[in-house]
Amino acid sequence: NAGVMQNPRHLVRRRGQEARLRCSPMKGHSHVYWYRQLPEEGLKFMVYLQKENIIDESGMPKERFSAEFPKEGPSILRIQQVVRGDSAAYFCASSPQALSGANVLTFGAGSRLTVL
Amino acid sequence: DAKTTQPPSMDCAEGRAANLPCNHSTISGNEYVYWYRQIHSQGPQYIIHGLKNNETNEMASLIITEDRKSSTLILPHATLRDTAVYYCIALQGGSEKLVFGKGTKLTVNP
Repeated sequence: NAGVMQNPRHLVRRRGQEARLRCSPMKGHSHVYWYRQLPEEGLKFMVYLQKENIIDESGMPKERFSAEFPKEGPSILRIQQVVRGDSAAYFCASSPQALSGANVLTFGAGSRLTVL
Repeated sequence: DAKTTQPPSMDCAEGRAANLPCNHSTISGNEYVYWYRQIHSQGPQYIIHGLKNNETNEMASLIITEDRKSSTLILPHATLRDTAVYYCIALQGGSEKLVFGKGTKLTVNP
């Protein structure tokens, strides 16, 4: 049973380009969470999705960032018109049920975005 | 979610028990205590969680005080591979957000 798969593991973009980060949750997991870790800082919650629905996006920057979790395929975190401040590690996590039921998040290895 | 306080760093000798404290004096009755760790820059790894009772699994033990204002994560026989940042998180019932603080950087020395 593969874990949470994220790709690409490393992504380099120039300012103004778009970044797309993909996350395939563990088999049987329908709840996906995205976190961001800026250099030398802790992880910050960004968004929580279930299949085809955004449940909580309170941690997402108001502009340029979007997330989706379609019925088929991986969850996508999309960053438009990237700036240097977007350089960070982006971690995806999944859970079989809502976390609030005392469930456990399984994290992927992360995607490291570098903006030149 | 309740704020948690952890020492910024700790050292432990290889083979000895590592006891990592966490203070969560404002925790409410329906908040779980979760422990995760992050080895170097890898993805966080779940260790253990509990509500009121002490818990034990193959990785660690979690001791929660009776008043629930603090807890201790115990790694019974620390190895070099346990060197990591350990995060103590109080998760409120109904919340879907794990709030990661700065954690404790545990260094296991040979």
